[in-house]
Amino acid sequence: KQEVTQIPAALSVPEGENLVLNCSFTDSAIYNLQWFRQDPGKGLTSLLLIQSSQREQTSGRLNASLDKSSGRSTLYIAASQPGDSATYLCAAQGSGYSTLTFGKGTMLLVSP
Amino acid sequence: NAGVTQTPKFRVLKTGQSMTLLCAQDMNHEYMYWYRQDPGMGLRLIHYSVGEGTTAKGEVPDGYNVSRLKKQNFLLGLESAAPSQTSVYFCASSGTSGRMALNNEQFFGPGTRLTVL
Repeated sequence: KQEVTQIPAALSVPEGENLVLNCSFTDSAIYNLQWFRQDPGKGLTSLLLIQSSQREQTSGRLNASLDKSSGRSTLYIAASQPGDSATYLCAAQGSGYSTLTFGKGTMLLVSP
Repeated sequence: NAGVTQTPKFRVLKTGQSMTLLCAQDMNHEYMYWYRQDPGMGLRLIHYSVGEGTTAKGEVPDGYNVSRLKKQNFLLGLESAAPSQTSVYFCASSGTSGRMALNNEQFFGPGTRLTVL
């Protein structure tokens, strides 16, 4: 059974810092890995999807990497802003018709 | 293009009551999912559907039933609500067609906050 772990559970940084959120998964036979953002009381917004054949994906100040062999993915946020404050979730999709297995998230607070 | 919508946004039930949550998507997606999100437990899959007329069990299916009579709608039913079903319920959809649809990102609705007293 796939298990997804996110470290740290919470992170507080001053505005302008570059930061890395970590995600690890136990079963390397994945189709893709997806990063989401969730604001308090809201649904999930997809940020980046990395297919199993890819090493990284970039969108603006966000860069996500994937290392299947080690079961790890990282989300890099450059020049953090208070508007980046949210919970970030990673999810791994397995093979076949299997579905997403989510980590419990990292709660990020960026202070002005 | 509304994406994924959920009805209702909030609901309070008494133990033993029944209700149906409605999810609708206008992206012609093949796959639809129902999750529940609980503090400390993260998001867990309840049921999912890989196409119109199909449903399958997820990680925590007990106490719930689903139906996918139309491609754009996915219904989640609680026949006899229990306090343990107090949660935030999210619907999601993904994939346009074919096997490549498996590799498409999931889009989520805004959620339904359900309290069972």
